[in-house]
Amino acid sequence: SAVISQKPSRDICQRGTSLTIQCQVDSQVTMMFWYRQQPGQSLTLIATANQGSEATYESGFVIDKFPISRPNLTFSTLTVSNMSPEDSSIYLCSVEDRGYTFGSGTRLTVV
Amino acid sequence: AQSVTQLGSHVSVSEGALVLLRCNYSSSVPPYLFWYVQYPNQGLQLLLKYTSAATLVKGINGFEAEFKKSETSFHLTKPSAHMSDAAEYFCAVTSSYKLIFGSGTRLLVRP
Repeated sequence: SAVISQKPSRDICQRGTSLTIQCQVDSQVTMMFWYRQQPGQSLTLIATANQGSEATYESGFVIDKFPISRPNLTFSTLTVSNMSPEDSSIYLCSVEDRGYTFGSGTRLTVV
Repeated sequence: AQSVTQLGSHVSVSEGALVLLRCNYSSSVPPYLFWYVQYPNQGLQLLLKYTSAATLVKGINGFEAEFKKSETSFHLTKPSAHMSDAAEYFCAVTSSYKLIFGSGTRLLVRP
């Protein structure tokens, strides 16, 4: 199955700033998915990223807050913009590869 | 839209006892179903998946799950719990191309 490298693994950020999270896959994949896991909660899909088109956002998530890039079939970034403490979560990327494979996650703390 | 419901946010068992984690799904089409495990401060690991082949699915670490269409269930079991099984377990279903998660069940294993 695919191997995903996600970074950074964790970060502590000041409110009002932005953080960009990167995911690199070791094979070409059509769709990449970005999830948020708030403290003690399950995973919620933020958006689906296809190469060459704009990401598709789920209800409650907007491009201005979570801009996504997908420049090629092995790479994607998620930016968390204008952060507030409520954005403190684990963010994970995922690909569908004979079962959905997940990156190790980015643990974000906003202070 | 497809969804899954996990009954019991916490399940506590004694070491050596049967593990049973419940998952019911709602789907208008034959579903693909998954169980994932998340150990503290780690990413998600796929335990097993059902993709309309055999109804009894065997996974890693001695876990298995049975797809029961009449009960719309996909419960996860393990005959004998180990201390190392203590973790958060998530049931998930595909909805179109997306993976939708249940709320999770935290498994506690008592010595």
